[in-house]
Amino acid sequence: SQTIHQWPATLVQPVGSPLSLECTVEGTSNPNLYWYRQAAGRGLQLLFYSVGIGQISSEVPQNLSASRPQDRQFILSSKKLLLSDSGFYLCAWINAPEGYTEAFFGQGTRLTVV
Amino acid sequence: AQSVTQLGSHVSVSEGALVLLRCNYSSSVPPYLFWYVQYPNQGLQLLLKYTTGATLVKGINGFEAEFKKSETSFHLTKPSAHMSDAAEYFCAVSAQGGSEKLVFGKGTKLTVNP
Repeated sequence: SQTIHQWPATLVQPVGSPLSLECTVEGTSNPNLYWYRQAAGRGLQLLFYSVGIGQISSEVPQNLSASRPQDRQFILSSKKLLLSDSGFYLCAWINAPEGYTEAFFGQGTRLTVV
Repeated sequence: AQSVTQLGSHVSVSEGALVLLRCNYSSSVPPYLFWYVQYPNQGLQLLLKYTTGATLVKGINGFEAEFKKSETSFHLTKPSAHMSDAAEYFCAVSAQGGSEKLVFGKGTKLTVNP
């Protein structure tokens, strides 16, 4: 069965520090991968999505970047965190070859920038 | 492009009462529609989905939703609320035929009162 791993679960980082959040998927190949951010009262904001290795689409201009070095790995990064980067980050995947029938989510990372 | 509107950021019901969470979508092509539930500090879990076929879809935990093309709606219902239903609910849409994006509504927080 397919599983998605996301870590760390919680993170407290000072302003100006770098960030690296990792997401890996098991049990599938060629997934579409997504990074969402959830801020209080604002729902889920799509940050990045990737349809393949090295292919990244950015939805909103921001302080963050994403990379996909391997088929089942998706990384969210920042060189210098801002206070506004605080939030709950969710990684998700959809199995592209079978059609867009379901998204699977990781357990999320609670990022607090202080 | 797809979009989702969830009417009501907060809904409060009594235990045993009907739950109705509203979702309207916009899509230029036939949509896939989803309802997800999120418990505090966790990822999203799929409740139910509409892809093709029967427009009344049954999901987990006694929830169901009906796809109404003429009304561009996909409202979520449950006949009798339980305390454990208290959570945040997200409606989402993607496009049949190959869109890379899954677009979410802003969410509705359900409170169940004893």
